[in-house]
Amino acid sequence: SAVISQKPSRDICQRGTSLTIQCQVDSQVTMMFWYRQQPGQSLTLIATANQGSEATYESGFVIDKFPISRPNLTFSTLTVSNMSPEDSSIYLCSVELSFETQYFGPGTRLLVL
Amino acid sequence: GQNIDQPTEMTATEGAIVQINCTYQTSGFNGLFWYQQHAGEAPTFLSYNVLDGLEEKGRFSSFLSRSKGYSYLLLKELQMKDSASYLCAVRAAGYSTLTFGKGTMLLVSP
Repeated sequence: SAVISQKPSRDICQRGTSLTIQCQVDSQVTMMFWYRQQPGQSLTLIATANQGSEATYESGFVIDKFPISRPNLTFSTLTVSNMSPEDSSIYLCSVELSFETQYFGPGTRLLVL
Repeated sequence: GQNIDQPTEMTATEGAIVQINCTYQTSGFNGLFWYQQHAGEAPTFLSYNVLDGLEEKGRFSSFLSRSKGYSYLLLKELQMKDSASYLCAVRAAGYSTLTFGKGTMLLVSP
């Protein structure tokens, strides 16, 4: 397994502002992903964070709203830009440790007022 | 695209056995994952199946039938701490990304 940490663990933000979420892994991994889990819902993939190139976004998610960085094989950030109350959610990073296993970080709980 | 179906809720009693089903439709298949998620926590990896058959891991087992697009998670000797949401996720061929079902909320009662 791997130790995955996220910062911040939770935050309350005002609409119109931006928040950057960090994900750190204790080992080098090729594949890192960002998910959103809205209240009472399942997980929705936002994007794949690619090391050294632009992230690959899923349908319905765009770079201007959710810019992602992946400067190396152990770290990634997700920014939620120009937030609105609809962005209130849990944001989770996950990593593929092997073809058979994908693990999640502890999540960042975001409330936008 | 992919479509994944799971029951919304299930209830069971402590010590019993429960089977949580998952059916999926995908244009190409490259593995099925089960996760457990307690309220307010992140999902925890439980199992991975890519070949037909049963994979056993302690009290938890997972089964896959690729021809039927069907999997189940079997929980034996249920404990109160097993009350959680169980998420089925499918990986399509050629991708590393997962598509999740809506999850099954399991409530274990005394």
